[in-house]
Amino acid sequence: AQSVTQLDSQVPVFEEAPVELRCNYSSSVSVYLFWYVQYPNQGLQLLLKYLSGSTLVKGINGFEAEFNKSQTSFHLRKPSVHISDTAEYFCAVSEQGSNYKLTFGKGTLLTVNP
Amino acid sequence: SQTIHQWPATLVQPVGSPLSLECTVEGTSNPNLYWYRQAAGRGLQLLFYSVGIGQISSEVPQNLSASRPQDRQFILSSKKLLLSDSGFYLCAFFSGDVNTEAFFGQGTRLTVV
Repeated sequence: AQSVTQLDSQVPVFEEAPVELRCNYSSSVSVYLFWYVQYPNQGLQLLLKYLSGSTLVKGINGFEAEFNKSQTSFHLRKPSVHISDTAEYFCAVSEQGSNYKLTFGKGTLLTVNP
Repeated sequence: SQTIHQWPATLVQPVGSPLSLECTVEGTSNPNLYWYRQAAGRGLQLLFYSVGIGQISSEVPQNLSASRPQDRQFILSSKKLLLSDSGFYLCAFFSGDVNTEAFFGQGTRLTVV
């Protein structure tokens, strides 16, 4: 069965600084990879996804992620964060052929300070 | 456009009472439907999924059940709630197109007291 590890439960940064949120996964088959963002008491919004093709994926709000198959990683990056990026970020994996069931990491709380 | 509706937004229920959370999807047909639960300080855990009317798969043993009486309706139920059922419940769907993603409802905050 697949699993997802988000290495940092909390990441505090200052406004306009770069940020990287780390995600590693394990699976015995090919996977699809996703990053979601959750604002307090709301549902999840997709930031970006990797299905196939280019390993560098660009998403909404200036975020990007790179799929590294050899390291089984899918780290999320943003070159300059804003106060409004403060939220919880979830990495998720779906094994191909699994009816698109998602396995989530435990989340990383990104706090952007002025 | 594809949309998903989930209600109620918040719910406070006593231990031992029944539960019914409803989720409906618009703008697509024959979607895969999912119920996830998010407990405090933890990630999201898949509870149930459905690939068609009347087809329910349970991912974890628990006090809850799910039903899909119509193509775009997914219901999460319990006959008697436990304190451990408290959490944030999210409904989601995939529209069956490999190039799409899971769309999530706004969630239901359930507190069992």
